[in-house]
Amino acid sequence: EAGVAQSPRYKIIEKRQSVAFWCNPISGHATLYWYQQILGQGPKLLIQFQNNGVVDDSQLPKDRFSAERLKGVDSTLKIQPAKLEDSAVYLCASSLDLAGHETQYFGPGTRLLVL
Amino acid sequence: QKEVEQNSGPLSVPEGAIASLNCTYSDRGSQSFFWYRQYSGKSPELIMFIYSNGDKEDGRFTAQLNKASQYVSLLIRDSQPSDSATYLCAMSEPGGSYIPTFGRGTSLIVHP
Repeated sequence: EAGVAQSPRYKIIEKRQSVAFWCNPISGHATLYWYQQILGQGPKLLIQFQNNGVVDDSQLPKDRFSAERLKGVDSTLKIQPAKLEDSAVYLCASSLDLAGHETQYFGPGTRLLVL
Repeated sequence: QKEVEQNSGPLSVPEGAIASLNCTYSDRGSQSFFWYRQYSGKSPELIMFIYSNGDKEDGRFTAQLNKASQYVSLLIRDSQPSDSATYLCAMSEPGGSYIPTFGRGTSLIVHP
């Protein structure tokens, strides 16, 4: 079974530029998560999708971050414009469903450096 | 604001010893608890989940949950240098969405 795919793996941009990340979850997984992990901290949930609907985006900085999952499969996360404090690893994860004990499978992450 | 608290460590134990990792949480409504292992530069991977009070064992790993005291722990028996990693505690709340919350992780170093 293929795992969660993410691209790009690394990205370096200057502040105020835009950047987009892509995620392809495990086939058949209805729930998709985007996390931000700053060095030395745990993953912070940005947005959670169930199929193509948003379940929670309470911690997403909506003035600069946006995410979509149009067909209930792939997802993109965009930052526009980027700030220095956005430097982090952006992790995508998926799970079969929303049940509280469902295992989340993480992708390799995208490392973003904002200069 | 739901919080998951972990000592960032590092926790250093000799090879073959028992490593004990602890986590406390603020939301009494939390029902499911997870331990993830994260090697440096890698993504988290699930080790165990637990949602009933008591102990749950899987190989060298034992998760312990005490909902009255709001803590969950992970014991690693016969620690190996390959267990050296950051261990993330996470919880999810019941309801319609089971939104997950992670702690900052505890760094474990197992020295030969």
